[in-house]
Amino acid sequence: DAKTTQPPSMDCAEGRAANLPCNHSTISGNEYVYWYRQIHSQGPQYIIHGLKNNETNEMASLIITEDRKSSTLILPHATLRDTAVYYCIVRALINTDKLIFGTGTRLQVFP
Amino acid sequence: DSGVTQTPKHLITATGQRVTLRCSPRSGDLSVYWYQQSLDQGLQFLIQYYNGEERAKGNILERFSAQQFPDLHSELNLSSLELGDSALYFCASSDRSGEGTDTQYFGPGTRLTVL
Repeated sequence: DAKTTQPPSMDCAEGRAANLPCNHSTISGNEYVYWYRQIHSQGPQYIIHGLKNNETNEMASLIITEDRKSSTLILPHATLRDTAVYYCIVRALINTDKLIFGTGTRLQVFP
Repeated sequence: DSGVTQTPKHLITATGQRVTLRCSPRSGDLSVYWYQQSLDQGLQFLIQYYNGEERAKGNILERFSAQQFPDLHSELNLSSLELGDSALYFCASSDRSGEGTDTQYFGPGTRLTVL
């Protein structure tokens, strides 16, 4: 699985968009980009995933660059409850079922 | 609520003891994964079971073992416990239906404290 690089921490004002970047320059053609978050010591929560097209769901949007070497998770209107550690994970689906978590980005949403 | 349940929520025990952590996957999910999260190691994959059979192994110690039962719930057994085994233990499940992508959904975890 390709390695990812994320900034260790970010701040965001409540109500504003939070844009969390992730670099995955060694990503392979069959690898997906997954995002999870962990609020305090709760179980990681699935947010979104994508292969090469941009994706949107009720929680967030995922923007993947055309060369697929980086991506951005967008929380359109951050709330205090979005304060968490966000993990960007690159993962192939064949023969590699495990998730490899890095250190993630600690997002602090302030009032 | 992910639909994955784990018991107990907290567990405090002494060094040298043995404990069993239990996980019930989401309804219909055939795969169960176990992860350990300690302060110095982060979230690490331990082991995966699929429909009762071991599918993949990570950095799981020999003192640890797991199994998945016919009703698909899983247990993680930790023996000869050491202080360093204190951690959060998470279970995740997925359907592995083969259709589309395989998303893992995590339970709330068991916090193990070894004194």
